[in-house]
Amino acid sequence: KAGVTQTPRYLIKTRGQQVTLSCSPISGHRSVSWYQQTPGQGLQFLFEYFSETQRNKGNFPGRFSGRQFSNSRSEMNVSTLELGDSALYLCASNGVAGGPGTDTQYFGPGTRLTVL
Amino acid sequence: QKEVEQDPGPLSVPEGAIVSLNCTYSNSAFQYFMWYRQYSRKGPELLMYTYSSGNKEDGRFTAQVDKSSKYISLFIRDSQPSDSATYLCAMSAGSNYQLIWGAGTKLIIKP
Repeated sequence: KAGVTQTPRYLIKTRGQQVTLSCSPISGHRSVSWYQQTPGQGLQFLFEYFSETQRNKGNFPGRFSGRQFSNSRSEMNVSTLELGDSALYLCASNGVAGGPGTDTQYFGPGTRLTVL
Repeated sequence: QKEVEQDPGPLSVPEGAIVSLNCTYSNSAFQYFMWYRQYSRKGPELLMYTYSSGNKEDGRFTAQVDKSSKYISLFIRDSQPSDSATYLCAMSAGSNYQLIWGAGTKLIIKP
């Protein structure tokens, strides 16, 4: 079974630009979550999509947005980039680790965004 | 106060030692507990998954949950340099993937 794919792996942008990151979840998984990871803040939840609908949202400004397509692939977009947006952006494919009630997350390698 | 507390380390131990990593939490509704390992510049990978209290063993790894003390542990036996990574605990009260994460503990195994 193929894992979670994220593209691109590395990205360098300048302040004010916008960026789109892509995530393909594990086949059969219908839910995708996005996280921002920085050394100081750890893993911070951005949003979760299930069947093309945003189901949960973290505490990030409106510059951060996402969407999910009918094939479960997801994109996140950050507009008007700021220096503080430099981080590792992780996509998680949400599924089950065992029987019912064992919901858990399987992560992709991440996209490392550097804003200059 | 954070819902999940985890010492960021670093924790440095010699090869072959038994490692103990811990998290404490405040929300008594948490019933699903996970440990993830993250190597530098990679995404986290699921190591152990435990429901409710008790122990779970997988090879050199043992996960322990004590709900009465709101305390979870991950033990690594016969530690290897390849175990050097950041270990994150995560937990949830139910489904919908609302995981609450610890800050992660950086572990260094010295050859």
